[in-house]
Amino acid sequence: AQTVTQSQPEMSVQEAETVTLSCTYDTSENNYYLFWYKQPPSRQMILVIRQEAYKQQNATENRFSVNFQKAAKSFSLKISDSQLGDTAMYFCAFKLNLNAGKSTFGDGTTLTVKP
Amino acid sequence: GAGVSQSPSNKVTEKGKDVELRCDPISGHTALYWYRQSLGQGLEFLIYFQGNSAPDKSGLPSDRFSAERTGGSVSTLTIQRTQQEDSAVYLCASSPSSDSYGEQYFGPGTRLTVT
Repeated sequence: AQTVTQSQPEMSVQEAETVTLSCTYDTSENNYYLFWYKQPPSRQMILVIRQEAYKQQNATENRFSVNFQKAAKSFSLKISDSQLGDTAMYFCAFKLNLNAGKSTFGDGTTLTVKP
Repeated sequence: GAGVSQSPSNKVTEKGKDVELRCDPISGHTALYWYRQSLGQGLEFLIYFQGNSAPDKSGLPSDRFSAERTGGSVSTLTIQRTQQEDSAVYLCASSPSSDSYGEQYFGPGTRLTVT
């Protein structure tokens, strides 16, 4: 079974600065998918970014990028130029198959962006 | 188009009563997931439906929990003889059968409080 660990329950960052959220996972599989989801205080969860394990290049979506270290089973999220709207709970998730099966989520990191 | 909807948004029930939670997935999405989010914790997988295949019920915590999906669309999660530890936010998500990004689209959740 896969496990996902987010070791930072809470973090804060000043507006316009950069913050990195950590995620590690455990799996014996070679091909899989990793996701970061954002859950703002309104509760609706949305996808932030995705990484395929077979790709060495780190995924980037505007101000969001990941540092994927497959050997270390690490998948951190970097948020650049933090904005107040980035305040949310962030979940790291693991999925074995892209379009089938469940996702395994970490316990989340609550990020507060301070003005 | 319309996103995933869930009803009710909030439910308060007495211990021992049965409750039904409803999820309307995005039209055309073949996969449907139920997760439970307890206060300060991550998402706990409950059950997964994919088309006409037998559902993956491996996450249901006890036989008091059941779910069905009628006509490949709407899903109902039923909790019988509710207990206080069932208090949580219940999230539903859906996804298409073929999607290059593998995103799960989440509903706003149902907050269940068992008194």
